[in-house]
Amino acid sequence: DTGVSQNPRHKITKRGQNVTFRCDPISEHNRLYWYRQTLGQGPEFLTYFQNEAQLEKSRLLSDRFSAERPKGSFSTLEIQRTEQGDSAMYLCASSLGVGADTEAFFGQGTRLTVV
Amino acid sequence: AQSVTQLDSQVPVFEEAPVELRCNYSSSVSVYLFWYVQYPNQGLQLLLKYLSGSTLVKGINGFEAEFNKSQTSFHLRKPSVHISDTAEYFCAVSPAGTASKLTFGTGTRLQVTL
Repeated sequence: DTGVSQNPRHKITKRGQNVTFRCDPISEHNRLYWYRQTLGQGPEFLTYFQNEAQLEKSRLLSDRFSAERPKGSFSTLEIQRTEQGDSAMYLCASSLGVGADTEAFFGQGTRLTVV
Repeated sequence: AQSVTQLDSQVPVFEEAPVELRCNYSSSVSVYLFWYVQYPNQGLQLLLKYLSGSTLVKGINGFEAEFNKSQTSFHLRKPSVHISDTAEYFCAVSPAGTASKLTFGTGTRLQVTL
């Protein structure tokens, strides 16, 4: 296993368009997280899944954002009607989620630029 | 709820000099504490973590950190830095018992020069 994989690495889109990002977690990990990181800031929690169930969503996750993890494996994050303020690095992470859940492993992120 | 304060946004240091990156946290519950490193246009890599037990934690690349409960601090140190340590460093906390829902500080840019 090569770790958490995110695609695409970079995405440039026009304002108002929809975009979708994909995250493939480490195979035996039950928990999957999405974070957003804007320039000069630390990552901020958006949402997380335990298997296919979305257990928590941050208030940062507006109605234009939707995340899914249909079979408890990979996850997608969709942003509808993108705005310039959505420009950020979107980070995915995964963790075991059972027993001693002590470390989250991060992917390399998807950098979104809305023009 | 938890919060993390990284007191220095940038820390310049000469190669082979020691460095300390400061982190203070606030929480009403017990926490796990983490330091992550981020290289340009990359994701986050875990340097070290404090879960319980010994307050001095050793991590990768020669880094260590000390948990101080009374001062609610978790400062990161390295006795001798290398050019390759130039990166952004993030302190983070999570509720004890889980690594989920990390709360991050705003980061400290470590700039190592010759």
